[in-house]
Amino acid sequence: GAGVSQSPSNKVTEKGKDVELRCDPISGHTALYWYRQSLGQGLEFLIYFQGNSAPDKSGLPSDRFSAERTGGSVSTLTIQRTQQEDSAVYLCASSLGGQGNYGYTFGSGTRLTVV
Amino acid sequence: AQSVTQLDSQVPVFEEAPVELRCNYSSSVSVYLFWYVQYPNQGLQLLLKYLSGSTLVKGINGFEAEFNKSQTSFHLRKPSVHISDTAEYFCAVSARAAGNKLTFGGGTRVLVKP
Repeated sequence: GAGVSQSPSNKVTEKGKDVELRCDPISGHTALYWYRQSLGQGLEFLIYFQGNSAPDKSGLPSDRFSAERTGGSVSTLTIQRTQQEDSAVYLCASSLGGQGNYGYTFGSGTRLTVV
Repeated sequence: AQSVTQLDSQVPVFEEAPVELRCNYSSSVSVYLFWYVQYPNQGLQLLLKYLSGSTLVKGINGFEAEFNKSQTSFHLRKPSVHISDTAEYFCAVSARAAGNKLTFGGGTRVLVKP
């Protein structure tokens, strides 16, 4: 597609429930990133996929967080047993490669509210 | 590992006045540098990037930034701001190697007043 698409745009969930956030990157972009933006905070790296390589999961805050990328395209970020501190905007980005010199194209984000 | 410090969390500025947003980084390796803008309720948009060559980089919407290696800085400037420049601005750094992600600063919120 023309841009990075994320769904849903807003999600309200009850504490303890699982949620799935979806990211559809730009066609042909081999690198895909998930970041979290909490209120008044900067962007916190979560996970990075590059082609068929093993993902860099170093930013995932706990084992309740996981992500997969199917067929080198769509990615799903799953948060199990959600907690109130998980409330944030989850941003997905993609880029042409993982060399670091390409800028990212970001989606509009999913605003997650855990009540 | 890299880190980025944006020295000002908020910058109020009058319309048509100049603005400078400060960004300092630390890294043990050579880096690429970026500035992103986030308008209210939107994702981040790339303003400009420094990869190599001229240290003065021009971006969209009249913004420019200067890479200063000795001071490890990448400050963003605009000579005359508009109301529409009200947004949050993020500086980011990436190591010059494969498999590296962007590390972002904490952001600077710019409020342009009429």
